[in-house]
Amino acid sequence: NAGVTQTPKFQVLKTGQSMTLQCAQDMNHNSMYWYRQDPGMGLRLIYYSASEGTTDKGEVPNGYNVSRLNKREFSLRLESAAPSQTSVYFCASSYGQGEGGYTFGSGTRLTVV
Amino acid sequence: SQQGEEDPQALSIQEGENATMNCSYKTSINNLQWYRQNSGRGLVHLILIRSNEREKHSGRLRVTLDTSKKSSSLLITASRAADTASYFCATDSRDDKIIFGKGTRLHILP
Repeated sequence: NAGVTQTPKFQVLKTGQSMTLQCAQDMNHNSMYWYRQDPGMGLRLIYYSASEGTTDKGEVPNGYNVSRLNKREFSLRLESAAPSQTSVYFCASSYGQGEGGYTFGSGTRLTVV
Repeated sequence: SQQGEEDPQALSIQEGENATMNCSYKTSINNLQWYRQNSGRGLVHLILIRSNEREKHSGRLRVTLDTSKKSSSLLITASRAADTASYFCATDSRDDKIIFGKGTRLHILP
């Protein structure tokens, strides 16, 4: 099915461990995004990529890195996980330039202990 | 920082009634979007209204936009149990990223 695929769906990390969240879309979208969602905070933008080869910081980029591997894939890396990064992470994509809405993945629930 | 802010934070209504949620924002926008999120799931795009539009319909959804007041409303008519979800507004500014509000939790009572 067309859409945004995120892996893994669940992950538990120990403080200091690293991991990469994977995201892929098959809708030929130009722009891709990583959000985190915390209770009572709504969704906050971590990083985004307006096109292949470009990435920009969002509201809460500290502690994260991203890679726009190609037009389809946009990964989010936690180099040294902290308990404050316990959250639900969503990847999204769009055509960009205000054209149409975003399509979201089903999320990754990350717990850092 | 949050751009859009939904009101109310939570809303409970009887099935069949209409539900109205409001969104206020701070800076000029290109468009405003509404999303629905069912518990434990990702967000689903409902409707997009551009800054030069005042009203838009999609099925049982009606969205209005008042750029002079920097506000929007989402009306769901003839609510159903399946409409129980959180609803978010999101504003699209000039730098090609959208900012979400904290959402309205809608509960439809049987």
